[in-house]
Amino acid sequence: DAGVTQSPTHLIKTRGQQVTLRCSPKSGHDTVSWYQQALGQGPQFIFQYYEEEERQRGNFPDRFSGHQFPNYSSELNVNALLLGDSALYLCASSLTGALPQYFGPGTRLTVL
Amino acid sequence: GIQVEQSPPDLILQEGANSTLRCNFSDSVNNLQWFHQNPWGQLINLFYIPSGTKQNGRLSATTVATERYSLLYISSSQTTDSGVYFCADLGGSEKLVFGKGTKLTVNP
Repeated sequence: DAGVTQSPTHLIKTRGQQVTLRCSPKSGHDTVSWYQQALGQGPQFIFQYYEEEERQRGNFPDRFSGHQFPNYSSELNVNALLLGDSALYLCASSLTGALPQYFGPGTRLTVL
Repeated sequence: GIQVEQSPPDLILQEGANSTLRCNFSDSVNNLQWFHQNPWGQLINLFYIPSGTKQNGRLSATTVATERYSLLYISSSQTTDSGVYFCADLGGSEKLVFGKGTKLTVNP
């Protein structure tokens, strides 16, 4: 039973660039949520995708956008990168948005 | 939205000691999860415990939803228990709201 997978593991970008992070949910799950975790903090909710639609969004600017594909995998896109976007980005999957949510290993983004 | 407060923020133990971690919530607890984040950043599910008590090996958790708190017990701690422990709840929405975590260090 494959768990949640994310790619890439690490990423280094410069300010102003754009980045795409990818997530494949746990087998049988149809809902993907994205979280940003700054150093020393708990994860913060970015948004959730279900049936290829953004179902709920946290307090993040429009520079953060996403997509969910028919196979339930998802992408997180961040435009016009800022230094403050440096963080661990976590993807979680669940069944119809219910708990429990299962997390992937994360993508560590560094913006220089 | 719901606020989550975890205590203590830091905890240092000798191997073999027991510990209790606490989460307090500003609103009713509906769908509480406990996680362990390892040094590589992976969030590992420990318990999904909206109410009552569950045990898994040396770990157990208790949630008292009416009093808005949850406890995580770690017995006979091992160095591999080190890391950050988070609790989180849906709080009536679709998003998990996390506390700031308890950083546990278990020394040999």
